[in-house]
Amino acid sequence: QMQLQESGPGLVKPSETLSLICTVSGGSISRSSYYWSWIRQPPGKGLEWIANIYYSGSTTYNPSLKSRVTISVDTSKNQFSLNLNSVTAADTAVYYCAANCSGGACPAAFGYWGQGTLVSVSS
Amino acid sequence: DIVMTQSPASLAVSLGERATINCKSSQSVSYNSDNKNYLAWYQQKPGQPPKLLIYWASTRESGVPDRFSGSGSATNFTLTISSLQAEDVALYHCHQYLSPPFTFGQGTKLEIK
Repeated sequence: QMQLQESGPGLVKPSETLSLICTVSGGSISRSSYYWSWIRQPPGKGLEWIANIYYSGSTTYNPSLKSRVTISVDTSKNQFSLNLNSVTAADTAVYYCAANCSGGACPAAFGYWGQGTLVSVSS
Repeated sequence: DIVMTQSPASLAVSLGERATINCKSSQSVSYNSDNKNYLAWYQQKPGQPPKLLIYWASTRESGVPDRFSGSGSATNFTLTISSLQAEDVALYHCHQYLSPPFTFGQGTKLEIK
């Protein structure tokens, strides 16, 4: 069973860059038809999809965050990462990494999630 | 962006009774080429990530109890819990994965009456 685990600082100062890594175990990040996403949930609020990446490096971003976000993949480490720059208090949220497969019999929805990591933006 | 609107925002139901959550999308999430509705439902308990319950609007994920069912098409969808159990207390999200940016409803909090 594939598992995802987020890691990174729990506190980031305003105007700095939030950096998170998602480590995938129980399966290869290079497996075809799987897309790797970052999703966040501000305290007491709904879910917001940030971006996804395919193992080839092909990316898709949420236009609302695109100017500040970079998602990348490291197939040698079976990891993908998120960088969000120029953060403000509004970026305080639980950040989840998630995966979905596409095509054939795949559900295409997010069937795999990490446990989430709370990132607070504060001086 | 496709806006997902859930109703109600919160719901209290007695144990053993039916719970119904609605989700409306601002445009159709049905794809003509495969005639599928790109709509999923998730259950989220406190301190946990969302768990996929239903995909393609009505297909239960493996291991999900059959008291959970999904219905609807195009822009109007429903999640039904036929007989509420104590362990079903959670936040429920609908989600469209037809086109990016993929979007979620604001969530429905389900409690025991």
